[in-house]
Amino acid sequence: EAQVTQNPRYLITVTGKKLTVTCSQNMNHEYMSWYRQDPGLGLRQIYYSMNVEVTDKGDVPEGYKVSRKEKRNFPLILESPSPNQTSLYFCASTRTAAGTGGNEQYFGPGTRLTVT
Amino acid sequence: GENVEQHPSTLSVQEGDSAVIKCTYSDSASNYFPWYKQELGKRPQLIIDIRSNVGEKKDQRIAVTLNKTAKHFSLHITETQPEDSAVYFCATWTTSGTYKYIFGTGTRLKVLA
Repeated sequence: EAQVTQNPRYLITVTGKKLTVTCSQNMNHEYMSWYRQDPGLGLRQIYYSMNVEVTDKGDVPEGYKVSRKEKRNFPLILESPSPNQTSLYFCASTRTAAGTGGNEQYFGPGTRLTVT
Repeated sequence: GENVEQHPSTLSVQEGDSAVIKCTYSDSASNYFPWYKQELGKRPQLIIDIRSNVGEKKDQRIAVTLNKTAKHFSLHITETQPEDSAVYFCATWTTSGTYKYIFGTGTRLKVLA
């Protein structure tokens, strides 16, 4: 079954404690991205990756890191989480490649993060 | 920077009536315009999309229209049903220096039985 998976689904943590949210897709997609969803603000892109070892900032990258060592995985790292990073996070992938038109994004189930 | 404005933020319609949601974008290089539906507690899922070389696309009760000159596109849902109640997001794919999807802020649609 074609899918995007994320772990954990729910996480409560404290300020400053490093955490990683994993994301994996089995569709051999080139493009992967991370979004955060906050009430009234829609989905805002944090980082995206056009392919392995190619990542770039989205609209709200401050406080986040990513890596793309393998095509299927795109983890989101919060080195020192703060309360303003409390949000619902979605990973997504699409077969879009550089220089081409966009395509459907497939979203993971979401990770609800609370930072106290 | 590039942005997408979406209106209205909430919309209530009677079952069987039509619903229209509108989005305006700023980047003239945008060439792909998807609409996503997000039910409560679930992930966004694509319901319809349109590319810049097409003016209108229809899929059963759902249609999308695109006006490239005015830089706006709209979602039309006819004969609404209670299961259409959800949050709808428009988005654009932009290629101006970067390759990003930009989302609107969402419309909460309530279909009243």
